[in-house]
Amino acid sequence: QVQLKESGPGLVQPSQTLSLTCTVSGFSLTSYNVHWVRQPPGKGLEWMGRMRYNGDTSYNSALKSRLSISRDTSKNQVFLKMNSLQTDDTGTYYCTRDSGGSDYWGQGVMVTVSS
Amino acid sequence: DVVMTQTPVSLSVSLGGQVSISCRSSQSLVHNNGNTYLSWYLQKPGQSPQLLIYKVSNRFSGISDRFSGSGSGTDFTLKISRVEPDDLGVYYCGQGTQYPLTFGSGTKLEIK
Repeated sequence: QVQLKESGPGLVQPSQTLSLTCTVSGFSLTSYNVHWVRQPPGKGLEWMGRMRYNGDTSYNSALKSRLSISRDTSKNQVFLKMNSLQTDDTGTYYCTRDSGGSDYWGQGVMVTVSS
Repeated sequence: DVVMTQTPVSLSVSLGGQVSISCRSSQSLVHNNGNTYLSWYLQKPGQSPQLLIYKVSNRFSGISDRFSGSGSGTDFTLKISRVEPDDLGVYYCGQGTQYPLTFGSGTKLEIK
């Protein structure tokens, strides 16, 4: 069955770099787009960026200067790296599969930016 | 960016009742390919969002027919009939027609 699972550190210091991994199963990264979406505590959803099935990427312009998305198809993994983290980057980070809508979501990983 | 305006912010409904949630986009969501990429999601307390409806009116696999989506262009509606306790949570609309993808601010459904 289709599954996505985010992993990464729960705590990041201000100004440091966040590195997250989305490990997928049940589908191929060369057939579906995968998005990263984040959610500050108690707030709404913010689209961060996308890894397209063909390897192309798109980013939210508000984050573009700090954000990088890559993948390793042999490991079924999509990676997110975001630098210069600040406290307002605190939240839950999700990866999702795109099938005309985000049809499957990971469980999310809570990231706290704090010293 | 496409702004998604969702109303109301919150709803309180009795079990068995019916509710409607509105979502309006600042631009038409009709893609060049003719599809309209408007989705509805439910985020239950403590859980990840789950897809309910995609491309305006298509129910995702396993979603009850109590959920229905309608609309076109810039104006969309989610209707929930015969509300059950498990329906509580925050409902979001989201558009996938134009990048960046954007979401409404959410509608919190409470059960009376």
